[in-house]
Amino acid sequence: AQKITQTQPGMFVQEKEAVTLDCTYDTSDQSYGLFWYKQPSSGEMIFLIYQGSYDEQNATEGRYSLNFQKARKSANLVISASQLGDSAMYFCAMRAPKAGNMLTFGGGTRLMVKP
Amino acid sequence: KAGVTQTPRYLIKTRGQQVTLSCSPISGHRSVSWYQQTPGQGLQFLFEYFSETQRNKGNFPGRFSGRQFSNSRSEMNVSTLELGDSALYLCASSLGDRLGTDTQYFGPGTRLTVL
Repeated sequence: AQKITQTQPGMFVQEKEAVTLDCTYDTSDQSYGLFWYKQPSSGEMIFLIYQGSYDEQNATEGRYSLNFQKARKSANLVISASQLGDSAMYFCAMRAPKAGNMLTFGGGTRLMVKP
Repeated sequence: KAGVTQTPRYLIKTRGQQVTLSCSPISGHRSVSWYQQTPGQGLQFLFEYFSETQRNKGNFPGRFSGRQFSNSRSEMNVSTLELGDSALYLCASSLGDRLGTDTQYFGPGTRLTVL
């Protein structure tokens, strides 16, 4: 069974500062993928970044980077230079090919960016 | 490339009725997955369709069903609606090749309210 844990229900960050959203995961599979999604109040889930379990380097996509520590089973999302538009729910998710194509999601972190 | 579209965006039904939700995937994507999002249970996987076949199923009662057409469009049906079925239903499409990099892209969701 797979499990994703996000321990920060809500966070505040000052505009233009960096913020780290925590995610830990549990799986017995050797091959898996980790994803972060952003969900604004409109409801749509927006894909942000992907990290494969065999990737040796941390993934980066623009202002988003994923701090992947495999031994600690953590995949934290780092957002640099926060913008007001970053205010949203953020979900960490895992997919293990052995379990099919389903995504297992964490409970989410609500990020609020202060001007 | 057009994104994932879902219709209708909002729906109000009464207990005992049935409802059909529709999802059109990104062009070229053959996998469509459905998720239910509620404040209490979070995001839960319903099922996945690939090439008109159900490939994976979550832990939901038989009242929840779906299908996929030859053009990869998918519908999900909920019969005998219950108050607890009120939720945001999200559809996601992907290539479906089961590789770790296979990323699911979500539609805007259908918000179902059961009275």
